Amino acid sequence: ETGVTQTPRHLVMGMTNKKSLKCEQHLGHNAMYWYKQSAKKPLELMFVYNFKEQTENNSVPSRFSPECPNSSHLFLHLHTLQPEDSALYLCASSQGIQETQYFGPGTRLLVL
Amino acid sequence: GIQVEQSPPDLILQEGANSTLRCNFSDSVNNLQWFHQNPWGQLINLFYIPSGTKQNGRLSATTVATERYSLLYISSSQTTDSGVYFCAVCQGGSEKLVFGKGTKLTVNP
Repeated sequence: ETGVTQTPRHLVMGMTNKKSLKCEQHLGHNAMYWYKQSAKKPLELMFVYNFKEQTENNSVPSRFSPECPNSSHLFLHLHTLQPEDSALYLCASSQGIQETQYFGPGTRLLVL
Repeated sequence: GIQVEQSPPDLILQEGANSTLRCNFSDSVNNLQWFHQNPWGQLINLFYIPSGTKQNGRLSATTVATERYSLLYISSSQTTDSGVYFCAVCQGGSEKLVFGKGTKLTVNP
Protein backbone atom coordinates (compact mmCIF):
# COMPACT_ATOMS: atom_id res chain seq x y z
CA GLU A 1 0.00 0.00 0.00
CA THR A 2 1.65 3.26 -1.08
CA GLY A 3 -1.19 5.55 -0.06
CA VAL A 4 0.48 6.71 3.16
CA THR A 5 3.85 8.43 3.06
CA GLN A 6 6.14 9.42 5.90
CA THR A 7 9.16 11.70 6.05
CA PRO A 8 11.90 11.51 6.99
CA ARG A 9 12.50 7.77 6.78
CA HIS A 10 15.45 7.98 9.18
CA LEU A 11 16.26 10.56 11.84
CA VAL A 12 19.08 10.94 14.33
CA MET A 13 18.67 13.64 16.93
CA GLY A 14 20.22 14.78 20.16
CA MET A 15 18.22 15.12 23.35
CA THR A 16 18.10 18.90 23.05
CA ASN A 17 16.95 19.00 19.43
CA LYS A 18 13.50 19.77 18.09
CA LYS A 19 12.32 17.87 15.04
CA SER A 20 9.06 16.97 13.34
CA LEU A 21 7.80 13.82 11.66
CA LYS A 22 5.39 14.20 8.77
CA CYS A 23 2.70 11.85 7.52
CA GLU A 24 0.51 12.30 4.46
CA GLN A 25 -2.28 10.05 3.26
CA HIS A 26 -3.62 10.07 -0.29
CA LEU A 27 -6.56 7.76 0.36
CA GLY A 28 -9.27 10.26 1.30
CA HIS A 29 -9.47 8.82 4.80
CA ASN A 30 -10.89 10.64 7.80
CA ALA A 31 -8.90 9.05 10.63
CA MET A 32 -5.15 9.13 11.19
CA TYR A 33 -2.96 7.51 13.84
CA TRP A 34 0.54 7.61 15.30
CA TYR A 35 2.07 4.38 16.62
CA LYS A 36 5.38 3.64 18.30
CA GLN A 37 7.18 0.33 17.74
CA SER A 38 10.09 -0.38 20.07
CA ALA A 39 12.31 -3.42 19.94
CA LYS A 40 10.65 -6.48 21.43
CA LYS A 41 7.43 -4.60 22.28
CA PRO A 42 4.01 -4.65 20.63
CA LEU A 43 2.98 -1.68 18.56
CA GLU A 44 1.68 1.03 20.87
CA LEU A 45 -0.99 3.48 19.81
CA MET A 46 0.02 7.05 20.63
CA PHE A 47 -2.60 9.35 19.13
CA VAL A 48 -5.81 9.16 17.11
CA TYR A 49 -7.30 11.95 15.01
CA ASN A 50 -10.76 11.68 13.52
CA PHE A 51 -11.89 14.46 11.18
CA LYS A 52 -8.88 16.52 12.37
CA GLU A 53 -9.92 16.26 16.02
CA GLN A 54 -7.76 14.39 18.51
CA THR A 55 -9.87 11.65 20.01
CA GLU A 56 -7.24 9.52 21.75
CA ASN A 57 -4.07 10.31 23.65
CA ASN A 58 -2.70 7.08 25.02
CA SER A 59 -0.87 8.62 28.00
CA VAL A 60 1.93 9.89 25.79
CA PRO A 61 4.57 12.19 27.39
CA SER A 62 4.25 15.86 26.50
CA ARG A 63 7.61 15.82 24.70
CA PHE A 64 5.58 14.30 21.84
CA SER A 65 3.16 16.82 20.38
CA PRO A 66 0.83 15.88 17.50
CA GLU A 67 -0.70 18.24 14.98
CA CYS A 68 -3.37 17.55 12.38
CA PRO A 69 -3.94 20.60 10.16
CA ASN A 70 -6.27 18.72 7.82
CA SER A 71 -7.54 15.20 7.18
CA SER A 72 -4.60 14.38 4.88
CA HIS A 73 -1.69 15.50 7.01
CA LEU A 74 -0.44 14.51 10.45
CA PHE A 75 2.67 15.72 12.22
CA LEU A 76 4.49 14.57 15.33
CA HIS A 77 6.61 17.30 16.89
CA LEU A 78 9.49 16.07 19.01
CA HIS A 79 11.44 17.99 21.65
CA THR A 80 13.81 17.07 24.47
CA LEU A 81 13.50 13.39 23.73
CA GLN A 82 15.19 10.63 25.72
CA PRO A 83 17.29 7.74 24.37
CA GLU A 84 14.44 5.33 25.26
CA ASP A 85 12.29 7.17 22.70
CA SER A 86 14.37 5.61 19.94
CA ALA A 87 11.96 3.49 17.93
CA LEU A 88 10.11 3.08 14.65
CA TYR A 89 7.27 5.62 14.46
CA LEU A 90 4.44 4.53 12.21
CA CYS A 91 1.57 6.55 10.82
CA ALA A 92 -1.66 4.95 9.68
CA SER A 93 -5.00 6.04 8.27
CA SER A 94 -8.46 4.56 7.89
CA GLN A 95 -11.70 5.63 6.30
CA GLY A 96 -13.38 5.66 9.68
CA ILE A 97 -12.51 4.72 13.20
CA GLN A 98 -12.37 0.92 13.62
CA GLU A 99 -12.04 0.34 9.89
CA THR A 100 -9.11 -1.18 8.01
CA GLN A 101 -5.91 0.69 8.78
CA TYR A 102 -3.24 1.42 6.18
CA PHE A 103 0.29 2.11 7.37
CA GLY A 104 3.10 4.27 6.11
CA PRO A 105 6.69 2.97 5.87
CA GLY A 106 7.67 4.51 9.21
CA THR A 107 10.40 6.80 10.51
CA ARG A 108 13.31 5.14 12.31
CA LEU A 109 14.30 7.51 15.09
CA LEU A 110 17.53 7.35 17.05
CA VAL A 111 17.94 9.67 20.02
CA LEU A 112 21.52 10.14 21.18
CA GLY B 1 -7.43 -3.80 29.06
CA ILE B 2 -7.87 -6.51 26.48
CA GLN B 3 -5.02 -8.99 26.06
CA VAL B 4 -3.90 -10.35 22.69
CA GLU B 5 -1.71 -13.43 22.53
CA GLN B 6 -0.19 -14.79 19.35
CA SER B 7 1.38 -18.18 18.78
CA PRO B 8 3.85 -19.41 17.94
CA PRO B 9 6.27 -16.52 18.57
CA ASP B 10 8.66 -17.86 15.95
CA LEU B 11 8.14 -20.17 13.00
CA ILE B 12 10.64 -21.46 10.45
CA LEU B 13 9.40 -23.15 7.28
CA GLN B 14 10.75 -24.54 4.06
CA GLU B 15 9.39 -22.96 0.91
CA GLY B 16 6.18 -24.68 -0.14
CA ALA B 17 5.07 -25.63 3.35
CA ASN B 18 1.76 -24.63 4.92
CA SER B 19 1.32 -22.95 8.30
CA THR B 20 -1.29 -21.78 10.78
CA LEU B 21 -0.85 -18.76 13.03
CA ARG B 22 -3.11 -18.22 16.01
CA CYS B 23 -4.42 -15.15 17.81
CA ASN B 24 -6.28 -15.40 21.12
CA PHE B 25 -7.95 -12.43 22.74
CA SER B 26 -9.30 -12.02 26.23
CA ASP B 27 -12.59 -10.22 25.64
CA SER B 28 -15.21 -9.67 22.96
CA VAL B 29 -14.15 -7.54 20.02
CA ASN B 30 -15.85 -5.89 17.08
CA ASN B 31 -12.72 -5.35 15.02
CA LEU B 32 -9.88 -7.76 14.25
CA GLN B 33 -7.17 -7.15 11.69
CA TRP B 34 -4.19 -9.19 10.52
CA PHE B 35 -1.04 -7.43 9.33
CA HIS B 36 2.25 -8.50 7.77
CA GLN B 37 5.37 -6.47 8.56
CA ASN B 38 8.17 -7.06 6.06
CA PRO B 39 11.85 -6.99 7.03
CA TRP B 40 12.02 -3.28 6.14
CA GLY B 41 9.28 -2.37 8.60
CA GLN B 42 6.36 -1.81 6.23
CA LEU B 43 3.05 -3.02 7.67
CA ILE B 44 0.52 -4.34 5.17
CA ASN B 45 -3.06 -5.03 6.09
CA LEU B 46 -3.99 -8.60 5.18
CA PHE B 47 -7.51 -9.02 6.52
CA TYR B 48 -10.21 -7.12 8.33
CA ILE B 49 -12.05 -10.03 9.89
CA PRO B 50 -14.07 -9.53 13.11
CA SER B 51 -15.85 -12.80 12.35
CA GLY B 52 -16.16 -15.46 9.68
CA THR B 53 -13.71 -16.58 7.01
CA LYS B 54 -11.96 -14.72 4.23
CA GLN B 55 -9.49 -15.77 1.58
CA ASN B 56 -7.01 -13.82 -0.49
CA GLY B 57 -4.82 -15.95 -2.74
CA ARG B 58 -2.62 -18.22 -0.64
CA LEU B 59 -3.76 -16.57 2.57
CA SER B 60 -6.97 -17.14 4.44
CA ALA B 61 -8.23 -16.19 7.88
CA THR B 62 -10.94 -17.38 10.19
CA THR B 63 -12.24 -15.62 13.30
CA VAL B 64 -14.46 -17.41 15.82
CA ALA B 65 -15.59 -14.43 17.85
CA THR B 66 -17.61 -16.45 20.36
CA GLU B 67 -14.49 -18.46 21.27
CA ARG B 68 -12.17 -15.44 21.10
CA TYR B 69 -9.61 -16.57 18.58
CA SER B 70 -8.55 -16.04 15.00
CA LEU B 71 -6.40 -18.15 12.70
CA LEU B 72 -4.29 -17.08 9.74
CA TYR B 73 -3.47 -19.80 7.20
CA ILE B 74 -0.56 -19.51 4.80
CA SER B 75 -0.40 -22.14 2.07
CA SER B 76 2.50 -22.95 -0.24
CA SER B 77 4.71 -20.48 1.59
CA GLN B 78 7.25 -18.37 -0.31
CA THR B 79 10.39 -16.59 0.86
CA THR B 80 8.58 -13.28 0.41
CA ASP B 81 6.14 -14.36 3.13
CA SER B 82 8.92 -13.89 5.69
CA GLY B 83 8.38 -11.20 8.28
CA VAL B 84 6.26 -10.64 11.33
CA TYR B 85 2.53 -11.28 11.37
CA PHE B 86 0.47 -9.21 13.78
CA CYS B 87 -3.05 -9.64 15.01
CA ALA B 88 -4.79 -6.50 16.33
CA VAL B 89 -8.18 -6.11 17.96
CA CYS B 90 -10.49 -3.33 19.02
CA GLN B 91 -13.37 -3.48 21.45
CA GLY B 92 -16.74 -1.84 20.98
CA GLY B 93 -16.73 1.79 22.07
CA SER B 94 -12.95 2.02 21.81
CA GLU B 95 -10.84 3.66 19.13
CA LYS B 96 -7.71 1.83 20.25
CA LEU B 97 -6.40 -1.04 18.15
CA VAL B 98 -4.45 -3.35 20.47
CA PHE B 99 -1.69 -5.38 18.85
CA GLY B 100 -0.28 -8.75 19.81
CA LYS B 101 3.47 -9.34 19.97
CA GLY B 102 3.45 -11.01 16.58
CA THR B 103 4.65 -14.26 15.01
CA LYS B 104 8.02 -14.03 13.28
CA LEU B 105 7.94 -16.20 10.18
CA THR B 106 11.06 -17.22 8.29
CA VAL B 107 10.62 -19.08 5.00
CA ASN B 108 13.81 -20.69 3.74
CA PRO B 109 14.41 -21.50 0.05
